[in-house]
Amino acid sequence: DAKTTQPTSMDCAEGRAANLPCNHSTISGNEYVYWYRQIHSQGPQYIIHGLKNNETNEMASLIITEDRKSSTLILPHATLRDTAVYYCIVMDSNYQLIWGAGTKLIIKP
Amino acid sequence: DTGVSQNPRHKITKRGQNVTFRCDPISEHNRLYWYRQTLGQGPEFLTYFQNEAQLEKSRLLSDRFSAERPKGSFSTLEIQRTEQGDSAMYLCASSLGGSDYGYTFGSGTRLTVV
Repeated sequence: DAKTTQPTSMDCAEGRAANLPCNHSTISGNEYVYWYRQIHSQGPQYIIHGLKNNETNEMASLIITEDRKSSTLILPHATLRDTAVYYCIVMDSNYQLIWGAGTKLIIKP
Repeated sequence: DTGVSQNPRHKITKRGQNVTFRCDPISEHNRLYWYRQTLGQGPEFLTYFQNEAQLEKSRLLSDRFSAERPKGSFSTLEIQRTEQGDSAMYLCASSLGGSDYGYTFGSGTRLTVV
């Protein structure tokens, strides 16, 4: 099953775009990349997912490289409420999400 | 139906006592998952159900843990003879299954064993 690697922590200024990288070099052709975030003491919240094409929704954009070995989550205009742990996850062949430790994103005023 | 509901939100129990948590998934979701999360770590898979059938259990799920999902609706997770190491957030999630469907998580039950 594919694994992901993410930086442990990142800072971003309020109002700027936050770009969170993720490596998934062993991903298989039919495995989706999912992004969740978790604000302190709450359950994880779904953000976005994709297979090959770039995706955008009201929360974020997901950019997947052509070889699918890495992706970037973009929060276009970060606010203080976006401070959270962001998880990049590959859904395995049994439709299960295997979680790493995520990236702690701190938005600074 | 507004999402996945978990009860209680918090539980403090003495070591050796039994505890039971409940999860009510989104009604049309046929898959239900239990995870455990300790401070600073991502969620760890415990078990999942496809309708009422428990299809997989993690090695983390010792004999003291049991989960049920009668009639494929709500689910319960029971921990017998609790230990201090069981202190964690217990998360429930549900999904439609399939790789193009994400999970919806509940707010979790935080267990503290004293």
